[in-house]
Amino acid sequence: DAGVIQSPRHEVTEMGQEVTLRCKPISGHNSLFWYRQTMMRGLELLIYFNNNVPIDDSGMPEDRFSAKMPNASFSTLKIQPSEPRDSAVYFCASSTGTSGSDTQYFGPGTRLTVL
Amino acid sequence: GQNIDQPTEMTATEGAIVQINCTYQTSGFNGLFWYQQHAGEAPTFLSYNVLDGLEEKGRFSSFLSRSKGYSYLLLKELQMKDSASYLCALPHAGNNRKLIWGLGTSLAVNP
Repeated sequence: DAGVIQSPRHEVTEMGQEVTLRCKPISGHNSLFWYRQTMMRGLELLIYFNNNVPIDDSGMPEDRFSAKMPNASFSTLKIQPSEPRDSAVYFCASSTGTSGSDTQYFGPGTRLTVL
Repeated sequence: GQNIDQPTEMTATEGAIVQINCTYQTSGFNGLFWYQQHAGEAPTFLSYNVLDGLEEKGRFSSFLSRSKGYSYLLLKELQMKDSASYLCALPHAGNNRKLIWGLGTSLAVNP
């Protein structure tokens, strides 16, 4: 079975450029989570969707970040314009159900470097 | 608020036993997760505890004491492949779909 798929795996861009990260959750999972991971702050939840609807975006750092989930099998996280402090690994995760005890399954991540 | 503390680094020897601790403060407890993350890879689920006590799963066991705000992960018969970061996570007290993560404990297993 395919796990969570993310693309690209690595992205290097220059400050001011637009960056789009993509995620395909596990088929049948109805919740999708976007995380950012850095050495200093660890894993931080940016936003999560339930049944394609954004439920909580309180972790999105600022208006430069936006996320969409147009259907059950695809989500994007966009940064426009990008800044060097956005450099991090961005993970997408998915889970079934709506309970806090549900296991989250993570994709391989996108390592973003903003120069 | 919620807070999670874990040791930053630990070292152990192949074949030995190691205990990785996690202490937490929360205004509403909804269980505790342990995830494993190898360098450059995604976190993967290890365990979920919601009741006090020890849960054993092969070489890995997880313990929880809700009254003490304390959990540990016990790894037995350590193997080189167990070198990884171990992350403790709590569902948010106000919204249990959101996980609050510790910074992780980086475990190095030496031959």
